[in-house]
Amino acid sequence: GAVVSQHPSRVICKSGTSVKIECRSLDFQATTMFWYRQFPKKSLMLMATSNEGSKATYEQGVEKDKFLINHASLTLSTLTVTSAHPEDSSFYICSAPGSGGIRHEQYFGPGTRLTVT
Amino acid sequence: DAKTTQPPSMDCAEGRAANLPCNHSTISGNEYVYWYRQIHSQGPQYIIHGLKNNETNEMASLIITEDRKSSTLILPHATLRDTAVYYCIVRSTYTGANSKLTFGKGITLSVRP
Repeated sequence: GAVVSQHPSRVICKSGTSVKIECRSLDFQATTMFWYRQFPKKSLMLMATSNEGSKATYEQGVEKDKFLINHASLTLSTLTVTSAHPEDSSFYICSAPGSGGIRHEQYFGPGTRLTVT
Repeated sequence: DAKTTQPPSMDCAEGRAANLPCNHSTISGNEYVYWYRQIHSQGPQYIIHGLKNNETNEMASLIITEDRKSSTLILPHATLRDTAVYYCIVRSTYTGANSKLTFGKGITLSVRP
């Protein structure tokens, strides 16, 4: 099946610094990718929809200037957490929808664990 | 908001069938029922989906009631590796930017030895 990768899998950074997380579709093209955030023992919350060649669409309450999204190509979307604070510590997961015969499936990356100290 | 309700947790014995219920009383005629699961500290994994007919694949079976207001995911022979949070989600079949999924709280399945 289709594979989505994320890098890094785990990152620790100091408060005030920025962190970039990459999401790649390895064997298919994705004009759209989704970024989710998950706090401990909570469900996934959609943060934004990443669109190749255009601006991302952010969910209500998500600061677009803090969570910068760049969908540079049909296989890569990046999420940059700017001026990170401890409350940004979370599990960040990206996904990409299938198309054509696999359109019913959504493929998720393995997640990136961010810890801000 | 999620359009489904699920019990918070259940457990079953290894080797036995696990039947996970889901209520979706406000489902629309063009909405499918999807099931995903998330093993601890991993990304979610697609399991199965259906519209109104029962479905089966190599992972599970999906039983949808005739009025489509509820469904049951069946893992026929649960193993310890099936311990996970299972999410029941309803949505229309869109592609691209409209194919986002709204996750509820899910049901935590614990498979005991």
